[in-house]
Amino acid sequence: ETGVTQTPRHLVMGMTNKKSLKCEQHLGHNAMYWYKQSAKKPLELMFVYNFKEQTENNSVPSRFSPECPNSSHLFLHLHTLQPEDSALYLCASSQDRAGSFGEQYFGPGTRLTVT
Amino acid sequence: AQSVTQPDIHITVSEGASLELRCNYSYGATPYLFWYVQSPGQGLQLLLKYFSGDTLVQGIKGFEAEFKRSQSSFNLRKPSVHWSDAAEYFCAVGDLRSYIPTFGRGTSLIVHP
Repeated sequence: ETGVTQTPRHLVMGMTNKKSLKCEQHLGHNAMYWYKQSAKKPLELMFVYNFKEQTENNSVPSRFSPECPNSSHLFLHLHTLQPEDSALYLCASSQDRAGSFGEQYFGPGTRLTVT
Repeated sequence: AQSVTQPDIHITVSEGASLELRCNYSYGATPYLFWYVQSPGQGLQLLLKYFSGDTLVQGIKGFEAEFKRSQSSFNLRKPSVHWSDAAEYFCAVGDLRSYIPTFGRGTSLIVHP
């Protein structure tokens, strides 16, 4: 595997389900990000981790819970979601916050549909 | 706070024609600028970046961009568009303090045969 991978690529879940999204980067980076991309809306930054520590939480509802066990893996745990949470969820990584100046590498995304 | 404006939501060009996608930024210091491309159902891929030096930057897939400080612009160009260039294009500006980029809303490129 190379670059940034995300699983699953597609996920359909009910509002009462619990599921997790997984992201893995094979680039030796130290910073990882979760973004939400909805139709006709700008890219929304959700969470940032730098050296496994969460450094940004952009007022994301608690039904989204991130986890970063090491610099290569990032999870997004989902529970009791709402239909408006349906979107493409993108994971990204960068060298580290100090060295990237905004240069990020993205995974292919997980298309989430909440029914 | 920095911001990025992509004035065109959609751009339609014929295959083989030239392309220019506009990007204007607002940032108080020397900006770090990026163009990303997103094909349908995919993540964003870095096309090119500007940090300093030569204001004309070459990227992948035959794209180039020119940084014009006086106009606060970083427009993306390609001399001859291919059907496979149909995608969403995002301009972004990096922040020296937070290192988290600010993205524009994107421009959707449609290529007619």
